Amino acid sequence: EPEVTQTPSHQVTQMGQEVILRCVPISNHLYFYWYRQILGQKVEFLVSFYNNEISEKSEIFDDQFSVERPDGSNFTLKIRSTKLEDSAMYFCASSGDRAGEQYFGPGTRLTVT
Amino acid sequence: AQTVTQSQPEMSVQEAETVTLSCTYDTSENNYYLFWYKQPPSRQMILVIRQEAYKQQNATENRFSVNFQKAAKSFSLKISDSQLGDTAMYFCAFLPNFGNEKLTFGTGTRLTIIP
Repeated sequence: EPEVTQTPSHQVTQMGQEVILRCVPISNHLYFYWYRQILGQKVEFLVSFYNNEISEKSEIFDDQFSVERPDGSNFTLKIRSTKLEDSAMYFCASSGDRAGEQYFGPGTRLTVT
Repeated sequence: AQTVTQSQPEMSVQEAETVTLSCTYDTSENNYYLFWYKQPPSRQMILVIRQEAYKQQNATENRFSVNFQKAAKSFSLKISDSQLGDTAMYFCAFLPNFGNEKLTFGTGTRLTIIP
């Protein structure tokens, strides 16, 4: 069964460093998402991406964040200058249509020290 | 904006019993989708069940079923014959049919199945 994959599973970085979180969505999906979950809290939407551009972003997704689909398979989330409060689990998701099920990857645990 | 409320932070039930998790939501939309996601200790988000608001019939997936009450904006999840592997956080989520595509999640219910 096709699945969304994410790398790395755990990333530790120092405050102020740039990180890139990588995702490989399900191959025939067209809609891509990033969510984050701070430990013990609910899952929050960050950004959605379709047709090579951002279709919606939340207030969390400020200028420090960017997304890219550099090739036909990868979907990346970049945080330019990490802050302590960026420590969270980051989930990538993909969907075959706009209102379809969003299938989540296993997540990347980001720890900013 | 939509909101999703899960009023039960924690629940526990004996193995093989039935348990119902509550979810209410607030929206002005008429067409939308509702989901239950399971998050085991591994923290992966796993889709359990989906309901389209325009369908009156409640969705079922094996031991999992929902009680969707559109007028009351209620969407509860029933787990029958609960198993130890059902121990997880359960999140209710809302997706509008038009406009933005983002899922709005509730705060979750931590379910523990007791052997």
